[in-house]
Amino acid sequence: QVQLVESGGGLVKPGGSLRLSCAASGFTFSDYYMSWIRQAPGKGLEWVSYISSSGSTIYYADSVKGRFTISRDNAKNSLYLQMNSLRAEDTAVYYCARLSGQQLGYWYFDLWGRGTLVTVSS
Amino acid sequence: SYVLTQPPSVSVAPGQTARITCGGNNIGSKSVHWYQQKPGQAPVLVVYDDSDRPSGIPERFSGSNSGNTATLTISRVEAGDEADYYCQVWDSSSFWVFGGGTKLTVL
Repeated sequence: QVQLVESGGGLVKPGGSLRLSCAASGFTFSDYYMSWIRQAPGKGLEWVSYISSSGSTIYYADSVKGRFTISRDNAKNSLYLQMNSLRAEDTAVYYCARLSGQQLGYWYFDLWGRGTLVTVSS
Repeated sequence: SYVLTQPPSVSVAPGQTARITCGGNNIGSKSVHWYQQKPGQAPVLVVYDDSDRPSGIPERFSGSNSGNTATLTISRVEAGDEADYYCQVWDSSSFWVFGGGTKLTVL
């Protein structure tokens, strides 16, 4: 069925690195723009990063710019998030999400994975 | 950066109508989307482009957007509607922006 499944979360020390993966199935992954969104424990949703269908256009939230790198492998139907220089405030459930919409400015997240928990603590 | 403001909580009795607001500067000029998140689950899109519903979302869920306020309306509220609700827009400087979320309690 149509789904996104994240993996790669875990406990990491401040300053450490982690790579998240998101496996897509049930739809043509290469046709869609994708994003990572996170949610700190007990908090709201925060958009983290975006990548276009080809990977040629990438955006980051200011809070992660220079530390996180989004990428995708359309041949493997997979999305990735390389997280370096992790901080305590990066502790959150990380969701990958599919974007849909008519045009930029109207895009919304129409499919979400179940998320993977990243805990940054010494 | 663009800011979306939601009330932290809304309470409603079963069968009544719940209205959850999302405030933003001239939000009426933007396209607003709404997500429902139940405890321990991923968010689910319930309204997109101000007032459209994805397939599988009950007609009880509707949306409107004008001026500085967008509203998600849930008619004939059921116990299963109890959840956190988030509004979201796209902004050219902040990209994808979410409201702080509203906890809907069904009394």
